[in-house]
Amino acid sequence: GAGVSQSPSNKVTEKGKDVELRCDPISGHTALYWYRQRLGQGLEFLIYFQGNSAPDKSGLPSDRFSAERTGESVSTLTIQRTQQEDSAVYLCASSLELAGSDEQFFGPGTRLTVL
Amino acid sequence: QKEVEQNSGPLSVPEGAIASLNCTYSDRGSQSFFWYRQYSGKSPELIMFIYSNGDKEDGRFTAQLNKASQYVSLLIRDSQPSDSATYLCAVNGAGGFKTIFGAGTRLFVKA
Repeated sequence: GAGVSQSPSNKVTEKGKDVELRCDPISGHTALYWYRQRLGQGLEFLIYFQGNSAPDKSGLPSDRFSAERTGESVSTLTIQRTQQEDSAVYLCASSLELAGSDEQFFGPGTRLTVL
Repeated sequence: QKEVEQNSGPLSVPEGAIASLNCTYSDRGSQSFFWYRQYSGKSPELIMFIYSNGDKEDGRFTAQLNKASQYVSLLIRDSQPSDSATYLCAVNGAGGFKTIFGAGTRLFVKA
């Protein structure tokens, strides 16, 4: 595809349910980021994948959050036992070069609403 | 201290004026600096990047970097209502490859 894609675009779930969000980065991009953006707020870093290196999970807010990436392709962000404060837009971005100094291309985001 | 700080605004300027957006960062070893624009309900998109001290111009946009002061700014000349958006400063630190975003400054350009 031409850009980063994310699915679903919208997800409404009940408190306590698990959700899985998917990100398809641009082909060939070695770096992949997940961010959370609450309404009217800035980007909150969650997790960073770079090639085959161990991911940087320092931004994950609790052990209910986890993410995986298969090689340099698809990534999934899983939120277990969702809470209302998890409601936000979850953005994925990918970047081409190893140095991390390149532009990040963002997907359209997944809007998560926890009732 | 936040790693990347921006005034949240909103910053309001009249059409045709110069809008000045500022950002400071805490990691003195930072190497790469980015400005992203985010329209309401949309994803961020890159406007400018700068690596070296001084000014970098691209059309109506000028990025300014002062590493000694740990300060990066974005100037928008001849501001247009279509420039109304949130502007995010992002910094790539020397200690790793992770890019850190500021909270963003909301800009309103009044017609």
